[in-house]
Amino acid sequence: ETGVTQTPRHLVMGMTNKKSLKCEQHLGHNAMYWYKQSAKKPLELMFVYNFKEQTENNSVPSRFSPECPNSSHLFLHLHTLQPEDSALYLCASSQVGTDLDYIGYTFGSGTRLTVV
Amino acid sequence: LAKTTQPISMDSYEGQEVNITCSHNNIATNDYITWYQQFPSQGPRFIIQGYKTKVTNEVASLFIPADRKSSTLSLPRVSLSDTAVYYCLVPSEGGNKLVFGAGTILRVKS
Repeated sequence: ETGVTQTPRHLVMGMTNKKSLKCEQHLGHNAMYWYKQSAKKPLELMFVYNFKEQTENNSVPSRFSPECPNSSHLFLHLHTLQPEDSALYLCASSQVGTDLDYIGYTFGSGTRLTVV
Repeated sequence: LAKTTQPISMDSYEGQEVNITCSHNNIATNDYITWYQQFPSQGPRFIIQGYKTKVTNEVASLFIPADRKSSTLSLPRVSLSDTAVYYCLVPSEGGNKLVFGAGTILRVKS
């Protein structure tokens, strides 16, 4: 399998549920990202991981909890979400050099999340 | 905030060439310019990347003038399946993250 794989593709959860989104990249990249895309809005960067270390958290509410156990896997743990959290959640990876030169992103197909 | 400015939308007809221009007045010396395409409910897909002058691949060309303050994505002979949102991006400070703007909605009509 190649590229960036996200599971599940679709998820419906209640506000009291706990669920996790999974992302796996097969490209040998060393950086991974979570983005959120709400209806008719630009992609919003949520979290950045470089070499498994979180380097950015863009004021994301604590009900979203990322986890990066290794450079190939990224999770987004969800709990007590609100209906306004319904969106397309996208994972991406890239290869970052030691001086953080930008190379390019590869995105997964996303998880369509609906909070009811 | 996104570091680029591009038209909100464009309309075209099948078979035409489409040029989408992007402004990036504050581009840094080492920044590459990258374009992505996004269909509804899918992740953005890399189209083309360049640093200066002209880059061409099997799907598009990218023209970058000498001052690098703008760039133009050229799609030759578009088809209905090219209807999508097109994003122009340059790296943010730190170089390893992309901040997306609203992009350009391209609608191709028959």
